[in-house]
Amino acid sequence: KAGVTQTPRYLIKTRGQQVTLSCSPISGHRSVSWYQQTPGQGLQFLFEYFSETQRNKGNFPGRFSGRQFSNSRSEMNVSTLELGDSALYLCASSASDGRINEQFFGPGTRLTVL
Amino acid sequence: KNEVEQSPQNLTAQEGEFITINCSYSVGISALHWLQQHPGGGIVSLFMLSSGKKKHGRLIATINIQEKHSSLHITASHPRDSAVYICHLSRSYNTDKLIFGTGTRLQVFP
Repeated sequence: KAGVTQTPRYLIKTRGQQVTLSCSPISGHRSVSWYQQTPGQGLQFLFEYFSETQRNKGNFPGRFSGRQFSNSRSEMNVSTLELGDSALYLCASSASDGRINEQFFGPGTRLTVL
Repeated sequence: KNEVEQSPQNLTAQEGEFITINCSYSVGISALHWLQQHPGGGIVSLFMLSSGKKKHGRLIATINIQEKHSSLHITASHPRDSAVYICHLSRSYNTDKLIFGTGTRLQVFP
């Protein structure tokens, strides 16, 4: 099976712009979670989507949003970018079939906000 | 108090040494995971534990549910083991919301 893929891998934006990141999960996986990683805060949970519905949400402002499509692919959007949004954004997929699930991580998208 | 704490934060070792990284938590969990993150950002899942002990090659992970503690051991460490090791917790079977430790940065010198 192909692994989790994320596009783009690198992105440079300026303050005030908006950005959309994409994540394609492992085939058959229905859950996609998004994480932000910064040097100061470490890994932080953004949100999780399961069967096109947001199932869980972390403590991030409303500028951070996401969605999931019927093929389980997910997108994450950040509007009105701030310098502090510069981070590595990781997505992870899992089967989420009611058992304890291993998460499989994508390579991440490194976002730089200037 | 953080829900999950790792120690040490930084660790240096000579090639061949036995390494132990610890993770303590204070909440109920469905599973504890150990991740490895190399420079450049890619994360690999090493172990998922709900009880006992697992071994994969030179890596061993243990968990004590009663004491809310897990350890990751690396035997015969090698420079390619240099990475950040992160423990994280699954809180529930029906959601994959995870709580992350701050990570242990390991450097193994030849």
